[in-house]
Amino acid sequence: GAGVSQSPSNKVTEKGKDVELRCDPISGHTALYWYRQSLGQGLEFLIYFQGNSAPDKSGLPSDRFSAERTGGSVSTLTIQRTQQEDSAVYLCASSRPGVDVAFFGQGTRLTVV
Amino acid sequence: KQEVTQIPAALSVPEGENLVLNCSFTDSAIYNLQWFRQDPGKGLTSLLLIQSSQREQTSGRLNASLDKSSGRSTLYIAASQPGDSATYLCAVRPGNAGNNRKLIWGLGTSLAVNP
Repeated sequence: GAGVSQSPSNKVTEKGKDVELRCDPISGHTALYWYRQSLGQGLEFLIYFQGNSAPDKSGLPSDRFSAERTGGSVSTLTIQRTQQEDSAVYLCASSRPGVDVAFFGQGTRLTVV
Repeated sequence: KQEVTQIPAALSVPEGENLVLNCSFTDSAIYNLQWFRQDPGKGLTSLLLIQSSQREQTSGRLNASLDKSSGRSTLYIAASQPGDSATYLCAVRPGNAGNNRKLIWGLGTSLAVNP
């Protein structure tokens, strides 16, 4: 596709349920980031994938959060046993090798009720 | 710990005005600084990227400056238009992030340009 694609665009889930958020980066972009934007807070780094290197998971807020990137392309962010404080917009971005300018998807708005 | 602050939080101006958005950061050891625009439902768009060795970058009506030693950046928008209405975000890449290009973000300035 022409840009970074995220799905779903909106997700409402019940507290305690698991959710999966998907990111399809721009073809050829080896770097992929997940960020979280909570109401009234700045974007928060979650995880970074670069090629075949081990991902930087230092931003994941708890062990309920995990992410994988299959085949160096599509990434899935999984949140287990969702809590109300997980409600936020989850943004995915990708960039070319050695380039800092990242292209962002439109985000997934997650609401935990 | 790097912290990024943006002032003002919100700004409303009449069309045609020149305006300045401010960004400050607490740790001058940065690799680069970026300004982004965020439109509702459309994600973020990178506007300008300034490397730590640079003083400014320009793109059309936008000019971003960087004073690393004082921990400040400004985004200047000339002859503002209603289409400039959006939230403008400032983000820095820490100098010690190694290969990880993760960014530290401000809360943004919400700009409304009125016709």
